[in-house]
Amino acid sequence: AQSVTQLDSHVSVSEGTPVLLRCNYSSSYSPSLFWYVQHPNKGLQLLLKYTSAATLVKGINGFEAEFKKSETSFHLTKPSAHMSDAAEYFCVVRSNQAGTALIFGKGTTLSVSS
Amino acid sequence: GAVVSQHPSRVICKSGTSVKIECRSLDFQATTMFWYRQFPKQSLMLMATSNEGSKATYEQGVEKDKFLINHASLTLSTLTVTSAHPEDSSFYICSAPKLAGGTNTGELFFGEGSRLTVL
Repeated sequence: AQSVTQLDSHVSVSEGTPVLLRCNYSSSYSPSLFWYVQHPNKGLQLLLKYTSAATLVKGINGFEAEFKKSETSFHLTKPSAHMSDAAEYFCVVRSNQAGTALIFGKGTTLSVSS
Repeated sequence: GAVVSQHPSRVICKSGTSVKIECRSLDFQATTMFWYRQFPKQSLMLMATSNEGSKATYEQGVEKDKFLINHASLTLSTLTVTSAHPEDSSFYICSAPKLAGGTNTGELFFGEGSRLTVL
C-alpha cells in the first residue's frame, strides 16, 4: 500500500525568502512522486515529478524536490518565494504497479507576505 | 499538450435533483479516467476509476448508485450525482493519465474541476 504525509498543513514565508514544504511517503513498490499546485478555485498543475531517474528534480517556477530513499522523503523547495507562489501544494505518490491512481497528501497551504 | 476539460465549472441545483458532470480528453484518448472529490480546504479523495467500455471501479465508502459513472467513449467520462443533497456539495475533479508509447507514465492531466452546490 502507498501513502503520503505532508508534515505541515500551513507554511508562511516572506517574499524573497526560501520555501520548504515537507513530504514523507510510504510505498510497497518503487514509487513515482509528484508535487501539484492548486490555486484558489482552479484545477491542479504539475510542478515536478520523480520517476526513478535523477534524485534531484527541477520543476516549473523555480521549484525543485529531492528524492531521499533512506528518509522516505520528497521535500519541495524554492530559493526565493514570490507572491504568486501562494497556493495549496499537494505531494502525491503513485505505485509503479500498473493502473494505480494517484494518492494525494492532505495538502500544505503556502502563504507569502510582502 | 494534452488537455482535460470539465463541464460545467459551476452548478447549483435543488436538493433531490440529479446533476451530470462531463469530463473530456481533448486531444488524446483516455481508456481510464479518475474522479476525485475535494472538500473545502481538504485534499483530493479518489472516488472511482472510470473504465472505457466497462463498469467503473469505486473506492470504499463511495456509493455507486449515487455517483453514476459512464465512460462511453475514449474521450468522454460522465459523473452523475443522483438525488443530490446538500452534503454532496463539493469540488469534483476528473483526471486522465498521460500515456507514452502505450505505457502509463503516472502523470495525470486534471480538469479544472466542477463546483457543485446543492441547496
